Amino acid sequence: GENVEQHPSTLSVQEGDSAVIKCTYSDSASNYFPWYKQELGKGPQLIIDIRSNVGEKKDQRIAVTLNKTAKHFSLHITETQPEDSAVYFCAASINQGAQKLVFGQGTRLTINP
Amino acid sequence: DVKVTQSSRYLVKRTGEKVFLECVQDMDHENMFWYRQDPGLGLRLIYFSYDVKMKEKGDIPEGYSVSREKKERFSLILESASTNQTSMYLCASSSFGFNQPQHFGDGTRLSIL
Repeated sequence: GENVEQHPSTLSVQEGDSAVIKCTYSDSASNYFPWYKQELGKGPQLIIDIRSNVGEKKDQRIAVTLNKTAKHFSLHITETQPEDSAVYFCAASINQGAQKLVFGQGTRLTINP
Repeated sequence: DVKVTQSSRYLVKRTGEKVFLECVQDMDHENMFWYRQDPGLGLRLIYFSYDVKMKEKGDIPEGYSVSREKKERFSLILESASTNQTSMYLCASSSFGFNQPQHFGDGTRLSIL
């Protein structure tokens, strides 16, 4: 089955700097890659996703890139702000049935003022 | 906005008890999911359901069962709770179709003593 590896497990950056979180997946049939943000005491919330027919997608300060050949995808956050501090999860899915997601291990991002 | 409500934020039970975790969604979603979240392991899928009375095993179903008698409600059952089931449990729902985002509840932190 699918396996998703996420790095780093913790990341600390200065406010205003950029943050990058990377994920690799094992199943070449995976074709949907969402990213979730989990704030303290809350459930994960979708922040951006990308389909396998797209190489990059941007939404304001966040962007996701996908390299299908290498089977990895990354989340980029620019001009980081204190409210970006959270745990981020990547996931991968195959478009079948109920579309099960396989999640990475999570990255705890801390933005230092 | 989609709302996924989990009946308890915190729950403490004893070893051997039968435990019920309840989840309700208000968006008429076909798909519902139960995950457990443990540090360093990300979110792991326990069971999911794509229709009323239908259920499928996820990646870690052992020791759990589920019930979906109504479309909006998905229950997770620990038949005989054990200490290794102490964890954060997250419920999610999504609509039918490809690349549909999953919407999460805020979780139930379950402690088995």
